[in-house]
Amino acid sequence: EAQVTQNPRYLITVTGKKLTVTCSQNMNHEYMSWYRQDPGLGLRQIYYSMNVEVTDKGDVPEGYKVSRKEKRNFPLILESPSPNQTSLYFCASSIGGLAGGGSNNEQFFGPGTRLTVL
Amino acid sequence: GDSVTQMEGPVTLSEEAFLTINCTYTATGYPSLFWYVQYPGEGLQLLLKATKADDKGSNKGFEATYRKETTSFHLEKGSVQVSDSAVYFCAPSPGSNDYKLSFGAGTTVTVRA
Repeated sequence: EAQVTQNPRYLITVTGKKLTVTCSQNMNHEYMSWYRQDPGLGLRQIYYSMNVEVTDKGDVPEGYKVSRKEKRNFPLILESPSPNQTSLYFCASSIGGLAGGGSNNEQFFGPGTRLTVL
Repeated sequence: GDSVTQMEGPVTLSEEAFLTINCTYTATGYPSLFWYVQYPGEGLQLLLKATKADDKGSNKGFEATYRKETTSFHLEKGSVQVSDSAVYFCAPSPGSNDYKLSFGAGTTVTVRA
């Protein structure tokens, strides 16, 4: 089954304790992305990756790191989490990030990770 | 960069009512346009899309027409059901030379029986 998986689905942690949220897709997609969803703010992009070893900042990258060593995996790293990073996080992938109106930009989303930082 | 302005919610409707959610965007080039839906407790999933001007995307009774002249992609459904209760997001694909993705703020729709 084609899917995007995230782990863990739920996480409660404390300020300053490093954590990693994993994301994996089995569709051979080039483009992967992380979002956070907050009430009243909608969905905001944190980081994205065009392909292996190619990553760039989205709109809210502060406090986050990512890596793309393999095509299928795109982990989100919080080196020193803070309470303002409490949020619902989504990973997504698509065939390509090509611009210009191509129809291959549908995003496939993971089920979400609810993170609470105390 | 691109931006999306989406009608604010929440929206509460009775079953069989008409639903419209407005969406306008700014983008360079000619983006594809998408509506995503998020049902309670789930991730987002594609509802419909349109890839060029005047295209109409449709799915599950929802429709949206790509209006290049007004840079809009309003979502409509003629007769909503309780099962349409969800959060709806408008999103253009990246513009030229830009790979960031922008989503609207989301519109929460509640349909009452």
